[in-house]
Amino acid sequence: GAVVSQHPSRVICKSGTSVKIECRSLDFQATTMFWYRQFPKQSLMLMATSNEGSKATYEQGVEKDKFLINHASLTLSTLTVTSAHPEDSSFYICSARASDRVFHEQYFGPGTRLTVT
Amino acid sequence: GEDVEQSLFLSVREGDSSVINCTYTDSSSTYLYWYKQEPGAGLQLLTYIFSNMDMKQDQRLTVLLNKKDKHLSLRIADTQTGDSAIYFCAESILTTSGTYKYIFGTGTRLKDLA
Repeated sequence: GAVVSQHPSRVICKSGTSVKIECRSLDFQATTMFWYRQFPKQSLMLMATSNEGSKATYEQGVEKDKFLINHASLTLSTLTVTSAHPEDSSFYICSARASDRVFHEQYFGPGTRLTVT
Repeated sequence: GEDVEQSLFLSVREGDSSVINCTYTDSSSTYLYWYKQEPGAGLQLLTYIFSNMDMKQDQRLTVLLNKKDKHLSLRIADTQTGDSAIYFCAESILTTSGTYKYIFGTGTRLKDLA
């Protein structure tokens, strides 16, 4: 149990376009989902925390108008990278916290590799 | 402050024990975790320890926590080729908004020298 999927797993887009990444909890309800960014050979940096039905909380330095997060249901959160630029190329990982399980644990998706050309 | 440090690389021979170290700065950590990441993949939870414990053992894995020194370690006994990966420690801290968030370490790349 506690499976989190991400779609797509890889995406290549042109500079200036927008890209949407989906994060789904497959077998549990997730009241809270997290979005992380990982640069090559570096750690995961928390970008934002999203709670179902409310606005996401962004970490310092993350542009909320550029990285739009929507958590419309208990099983789906989306991250939209708007007007993408090459410097947005990265590995984006989501995680979800189950509303009915161990309160502190996060379950991670497999990640989405974004390449902006 | 929120800062979690790890050494970048560790090489061990197959069959030996690996010890991966982590230091953190936030004394309000409630839980501390070890995750494994294989190339191009997401994170796999290996184990976690509550902040009022000092040791936890789970099969080949032993976690030691020295809360006074804010030091966490992961020992992998009988290291195998399949253990080669990046290992991240993470701490769970309570935010001012009442939710828990993770702060990840810099990651240690474990390489098994067969």
